[in-house]
Amino acid sequence: EVQLLESGGGLVQPGGSLRLSCAASGFTFSSSPMSWVRQAPGKGLDWVSSIGGGGDATNYADSVKGRFTISRDNSKNTLYLQMNSLRAEDTAIYYCAKNEATTYFFEYWGQGTQVTVSS
Amino acid sequence: EIVMTQSPATLSVSPGERATLSCRASQSVSSNFAWYQQKPGQAPRLLIYGASTRATGIPARFSGSGSGTEFTLTISSLQSEDFALYYCQQYNHWPLTFGQGTKVEI
Repeated sequence: EVQLLESGGGLVQPGGSLRLSCAASGFTFSSSPMSWVRQAPGKGLDWVSSIGGGGDATNYADSVKGRFTISRDNSKNTLYLQMNSLRAEDTAIYYCAKNEATTYFFEYWGQGTQVTVSS
Repeated sequence: EIVMTQSPATLSVSPGERATLSCRASQSVSSNFAWYQQKPGQAPRLLIYGASTRATGIPARFSGSGSGTEFTLTISSLQSEDFALYYCQQYNHWPLTFGQGTKVEI
């Protein structure tokens, strides 16, 4: 059974940093592209970033480019999102998602972790 | 950026009725297209990928069709558990983009 467990969310001041983690199990982690998708309160789904199985290919939404960094540790079956220079508009639930092996639809989702940026 | 536009924003139907949801892409996405269902307080769940392939465990009453720029999700006979938000997504081009959602309500 595929399981994705996010952690690391919380309350942070504008300009601050957070690192989210996503512990994966139930599949061959190193073979799967992975992504982060967020959802602001009462809003729709917003893709943030994706990374290839080997960790070399990354893509970012323009809204986070230069501030967020996606990475993975295949030896630990863990996905990360380093978030710097946080803004109020980054407030959202952040979901970790497994992509299908060769394409970028979101096959499985974690339960999400709340990030709140406020002074 | 490819803009995904869903219609209607809200669909009011009765249990047992058929529901038809639409999604339009601002440019062709071929069949690199998916539908998701989200219930309150839950993560989204994949329903359809490749425009028409049901994901594992998805009941046969859910079907997807279309290609290029026009896509449809049909729920043949609505069950109580199907009242939820539905999102479309294209994965043909970066950035990956979602529609704004259609709420299916009683």
